[in-house]
Amino acid sequence: KQEVTQIPAALSVPEGENLVLNCSFTDSAIYNLQWFRQDPGKGLTSLLLIQSSQREQTSGRLNASLDKSSGRSTLYIAASQPGDSATYLCAVRRDTGGFKTIFGAGTRLFVKA
Amino acid sequence: DAGVIQSPRHEVTEMGQEVTLRCKPISGHNSLFWYRQTMMRGLELLIYFNNNVPIDDSGMPEDRFSAKMPNASFSTLKIQPSEPRDSAVYFCASSLSADSSYNEQFFGPGTRLTVL
Repeated sequence: KQEVTQIPAALSVPEGENLVLNCSFTDSAIYNLQWFRQDPGKGLTSLLLIQSSQREQTSGRLNASLDKSSGRSTLYIAASQPGDSATYLCAVRRDTGGFKTIFGAGTRLFVKA
Repeated sequence: DAGVIQSPRHEVTEMGQEVTLRCKPISGHNSLFWYRQTMMRGLELLIYFNNNVPIDDSGMPEDRFSAKMPNASFSTLKIQPSEPRDSAVYFCASSLSADSSYNEQFFGPGTRLTVL
């Protein structure tokens, strides 16, 4: 059974700091891994998707990496801004049994101005 | 594109009543997903469809829950009868296809359901 864990559960950093959010999964047989952002009371916004054959994806100040063998993904945010404050979720899509998506519990990020 | 559209945005009902949530996926997307989000359990996949056919409904909690996708542009999630423990935010998401690793899931704004 696939389990997805995100550490830390919450993080508070000063503006301008570079930071790393972690996502680990127990079953390396994944189809892809997607990082989302969720603002309070809102839906999820897709940030990056990494296919199982890829090592990393970049979009602006965001960089996501994937290491299937160790069951880990990281989301790197450069030069953090107050507008980055949100909950960040990773979701793993397995490649067997119907491609089911399993979400982590999320990391709540607060960037102080 | 308008994105994934869900209605209603908020629903308050009394225990025992029937609740119907609606979703319109992004045009051209062939896969549709229903999720439920609660503080205790986080985001859980309830069911997903590919080309209007239910593929995996193992996340549907009980027989009180049912989902349909009569055509490519519309899906419903029905709870009958509703119970207070069904209170949650229900999200609909869509992607181009379920069986391609390239395809991102795009989420709607959610329906916040409160069962009294």
